[in-house]
Amino acid sequence: NAGVMQNPRHLVRRRGQEARLRCSPMKGHSHVYWYRQLPEEGLKFMVYLQKENIIDESGMPKERFSAEFPKEGPSILRIQQVVRGDSAAYFCASSPGRDNTGELFFGEGSRLTVL
Amino acid sequence: QKEVEQDPGPLSVPEGAIVSLNCTYSNSAFQYFMWYRQYSRKGPELLMYTYSSGNKEDGRFTAQVDKSSKYISLFIRDSQPSDSATYLCAMSEPGTASKLTFGTGTRLQVTL
Repeated sequence: NAGVMQNPRHLVRRRGQEARLRCSPMKGHSHVYWYRQLPEEGLKFMVYLQKENIIDESGMPKERFSAEFPKEGPSILRIQQVVRGDSAAYFCASSPGRDNTGELFFGEGSRLTVL
Repeated sequence: QKEVEQDPGPLSVPEGAIVSLNCTYSNSAFQYFMWYRQYSRKGPELLMYTYSSGNKEDGRFTAQVDKSSKYISLFIRDSQPSDSATYLCAMSEPGTASKLTFGTGTRLQVTL
C-alpha cells in the first residue's frame, strides 16, 4: 500500500495521559500536514512539516500539542495531558513538494477518544 | 461568520439524479478550490481541483468556481449509490503551501 499510513487507527486515553499519533507519507512525498476533525465540524489545519522542519504551526494549540517529522521515521503528533476536548479524528496528509497548492493525499485517520 | 460555509445536509436523492453541492466563502484571497469526498470512517480523497474561476469536468463530476460571487459548486450527474458520502469543499491562498480551509461537509445519500 503506497498511500498515507496512519497508526494507531483508534486510541483510547484517560485524561492526563499522553497520545502519540504516527504518520508515514506516501512514497516520494516529503511534506506532511496534520488536520483535526471534531464532531460536526470540518477539518482544521494544525501543522505543516518537512523533514526535520516545522514550516507552519499556526493551527496548533499553544499548549500540550507538538509535532515532528524526523529525518528517519514517521511524523509524530504528540498530545500531552489529554483532555476530553481532544477527542477527535486526526488526519495526516502528504504532498510531493512545496509548490503543491491543495492536492493533498490523506490517510484514514487516527481516532482519539479521551475518557 | 465562518470563512467557508457549506450546507451540512443530509441531502437525499434517488439514483440517477443530478446533485448540486455548494459552498460560499468570504476570503477573496482564495485562489485554489477543491472538492474532497469522505466515506464514513475514512480519510478524505481528492475529487476535483480548480484554480481561480471557471469550470472543470471529470466524468460525471463538474466543478464550478465563481470568484465574483465567492461561490463554488460541484455537480454530480447520474448519481449512484456509491456516491453516498460526505463532500467537503476546501480552498487555499497562493503561497500558503496547502494550508486548506475546509467547509463542514455535506452528507449525500443516493437511494435505489
